[in-house]
Amino acid sequence: GQNIDQPTEMTATEGAIVQINCTYQTSGFNGLFWYQQHAGEAPTFLSYNVLDGLEEKGRFSSFLSRSKGYSYLLLKELQMKDSASYLCAVRGDNTDKLIFGTGTRLQVFP
Amino acid sequence: KAGVTQTPRYLIKTRGQQVTLSCSPISGHRSVSWYQQTPGQGLQFLFEYFSETQRNKGNFPGRFSGRQFSNSRSEMNVSTLELGDSALYLCASSLDRQGDTEAFFGQGTRLTVV
Repeated sequence: GQNIDQPTEMTATEGAIVQINCTYQTSGFNGLFWYQQHAGEAPTFLSYNVLDGLEEKGRFSSFLSRSKGYSYLLLKELQMKDSASYLCAVRGDNTDKLIFGTGTRLQVFP
Repeated sequence: KAGVTQTPRYLIKTRGQQVTLSCSPISGHRSVSWYQQTPGQGLQFLFEYFSETQRNKGNFPGRFSGRQFSNSRSEMNVSTLELGDSALYLCASSLDRQGDTEAFFGQGTRLTVV
């Protein structure tokens, strides 16, 4: 079967660092995506990993280990506007289909 | 350039009716995917179209169907609506299946079935 797991909810303090983990078991793998979704809005692309290692983009970084079926999204210098749901998604082989986790709702407190 | 456009943004239908939702991808994008998002299930894959052909289909009943036109615009149709079909329907377009081409999502159509 295909399964993507991530924590349901997380809380953090403004200015802190938070790591959102994602583990996956899929029949094929052609990349892992992280999306941010604010309530009532469309998901917006944050990062893409297809090779093992860390990809850094400003305050956001994403890590992938294909052998462990594991990824994390690291958010630094948290801001209130980072309160949102963070969706982990895996793309299978020869397809644009994305399999999504149920999302991690992050609340940032002052 | 314009993003992914979905129409309508909001829709209220009664049980038993049918509905058609529209998605216009980003110019030049030929791949369009549809997803259903509900609070309990998260984002669930419905279909994927590329160059007017359905490449993939999710685990939804036959009441859910879709198509893609030669200009890459896509429509999805739900017949005999049920209360459980109430959800946010999201369309995503991407350039190609290869490489780090991310999917860009539209704002979605929020369907309420009463």
